[in-house]
Amino acid sequence: AQSVTQLDSQVPVFEEAPVELRCNYSSSVSVYLFWYVQYPNQGLQLLLKYLSGSTLVKGINGFEAEFNKSQTSFHLRKPSVHISDTAEYFCAAGPFSGSARQLTFGSGTQLTVLP
Amino acid sequence: EAQVTQNPRYLITVTGKKLTVTCSQNMNHEYMSWYRQDPGLGLRQIYYSMNVEVTDKGDVPEGYKVSRKEKRNFPLILESPSPNQTSLYFCASSLLNEQFFGPGTRLTVL
Repeated sequence: AQSVTQLDSQVPVFEEAPVELRCNYSSSVSVYLFWYVQYPNQGLQLLLKYLSGSTLVKGINGFEAEFNKSQTSFHLRKPSVHISDTAEYFCAAGPFSGSARQLTFGSGTQLTVLP
Repeated sequence: EAQVTQNPRYLITVTGKKLTVTCSQNMNHEYMSWYRQDPGLGLRQIYYSMNVEVTDKGDVPEGYKVSRKEKRNFPLILESPSPNQTSLYFCASSLLNEQFFGPGTRLTVL
């Protein structure tokens, strides 16, 4: 089994500033890692995923994340945010064996971009 | 368009009145799943299905039932809803390493 901790429940940031949303995971087995975004009144949309290979993963809308195995972290970053990035972001982990079908989600981070 | 659909999107009901939330996907995915989302708790898995006629409990299955008679459909059934089942519900389907989510169903049980 795995667990996912998102260290910040709310992150306010000014437009065009950089942002980092933190995610730590714990698992007895190797895991796949994901970031999802949820815009108001919508479902979850995949931002990016780490399966294997390069530890720096690039996703949609200019986001990227870095897998750090030694620190068991998968932090999400964007160098310059826009108002439209205001949303809730979820980190998730799934067991490496088989598939990522059984995901464990973090509690979410609400990113609010201020003008 | 490849998608997961849920109905209804919004539902207000009373304690004890049986209800069903439908979920359908057009991507021919074998794996489907139901989650509930509550503030501060993220998404928690209720039930999942690896294929037709194969279902299993997730982390919070109490008070829910599911069925998987066809590959495309995976309804969630609340036989006797209670106020603690007021939540936002998401259906998802999966192929390999990515889950595709429906738009959500906001349920209020009075």
